[in-house]
Amino acid sequence: QKEVEQDPGPLSVPEGAIVSLNCTYSNSAFQYFMWYRQYSRKGPELLMYTYSSGNKEDGRFTAQVDKSSKYISLFIRDSQPSDSATYLCAMSGGGGFKTIFGAGTRLFVKA
Amino acid sequence: DGGITQSPKYLFRKEGQNVTLSCEQNLNHDAMYWYRQDPGQGLRLIYYSQIVNDFQKGDIAEGYSVSREKKESFPLTVTSAQKNPTAFYLCATSGLAGDTQYFGPGTRLTVL
Repeated sequence: QKEVEQDPGPLSVPEGAIVSLNCTYSNSAFQYFMWYRQYSRKGPELLMYTYSSGNKEDGRFTAQVDKSSKYISLFIRDSQPSDSATYLCAMSGGGGFKTIFGAGTRLFVKA
Repeated sequence: DGGITQSPKYLFRKEGQNVTLSCEQNLNHDAMYWYRQDPGQGLRLIYYSQIVNDFQKGDIAEGYSVSREKKESFPLTVTSAQKNPTAFYLCATSGLAGDTQYFGPGTRLTVL
């Protein structure tokens, strides 16, 4: 079993839809949870960062962490064609310099 | 202009050649990392360094070498011992807590 599982998609939605992206993990020591957005042939860009459980909102993006279920989510409201990218979840225990990345979900938002 | 720079953007290697990928940062971050990204496989850690003159192997270090002579620089050499080097290579940095990493734009290496 992989430490982090992420559905690779692709996920195709119409413009304006609410998008839900998810990851599950197995290591209960993870404390820091990140979402990265990666456009084709570019480096990943940090989108959201959450420590421990709870929700964090930034504009159209909301990150949720449920440590009891070992499940994290990223919601994108009013999705735009410019949101079309690969979204990577990532998590770490902190202080150990080892971050585990999901394989990424490819998202297409159609105009 | 702060950030992480990687060069070159595209690199072509012949069989049996060593090539070196550059990574420079001006974020004053202590830790630097090299990842390899292949389609459908996510990011795999090659090497990382927490301080100058010290580095550790990641999950797939075989066929690669690094150096960390300056805080700002962490070059990666892909040696001829790496049998399948065609991939997208990403450099990242983080502060001492090591919790959040920031990535450079990447180098695409192709073996001819």
